[in-house]
Amino acid sequence: KAGVTQTPRYLIKTRGQQVTLSCSPISGHRSVSWYQQTPGQGLQFLFEYFSETQRNKGNFPGRFSGRQFSNSRSEMNVSTLELGDSALYLCASTNPGQGSGYTFGSGTRLTVV
Amino acid sequence: QKEVEQDPGPLSVPEGAIVSLNCTYSNSAFQYFMWYRQYSRKGPELLMYTYSSGNKEDGRFTAQVDKSSKYISLFIRDSQPSDSATYLCAMSETGGSYIPTFGRGTSLIVHP
Repeated sequence: KAGVTQTPRYLIKTRGQQVTLSCSPISGHRSVSWYQQTPGQGLQFLFEYFSETQRNKGNFPGRFSGRQFSNSRSEMNVSTLELGDSALYLCASTNPGQGSGYTFGSGTRLTVV
Repeated sequence: QKEVEQDPGPLSVPEGAIVSLNCTYSNSAFQYFMWYRQYSRKGPELLMYTYSSGNKEDGRFTAQVDKSSKYISLFIRDSQPSDSATYLCAMSETGGSYIPTFGRGTSLIVHP
């Protein structure tokens, strides 16, 4: 059974540019969540999508957005990149339910220069 | 004060030692408790998952939850160099948002 696949693995972008990251969840998982991981803040929740609808949202500015397609694949977009956006972006999928464990992808390492 | 507190370490132990990793939390609505292990350049992987208070054992790993103290622990027996990783605790509510809140992670180094 394939795991959660994130592409690309590494990205280098310049301040002011925008970037799109992709996530393919485990087959049958309809919930996809995105997290930002930095050494200083740890794992911070960005948003969750279920059945193509954003169901939960973390405390991030509007420059961070996402979407989910009918096949549950998800993308997140960051516009007007800032140096502070440099981080590991993790996607996780799950079957919705109370306390269901997440399966994470290996992440996309974004560096903004 | 963050909702979930976890000492970042690093925690360095010799091979074969018993390791104790801990988290404290402030939200009494948390009912589901998880431990994840994250190797360098990888995403976190779910190790243990418990509901409410009590103990759960899986091989060399034991998870403990003390809701009265708002304190959870992960014990690793007979630690191995391959256990060297960052361990993150996570917890979520019941009846409300089930999105887990993560601790910052503890870096564990098991040296031969």
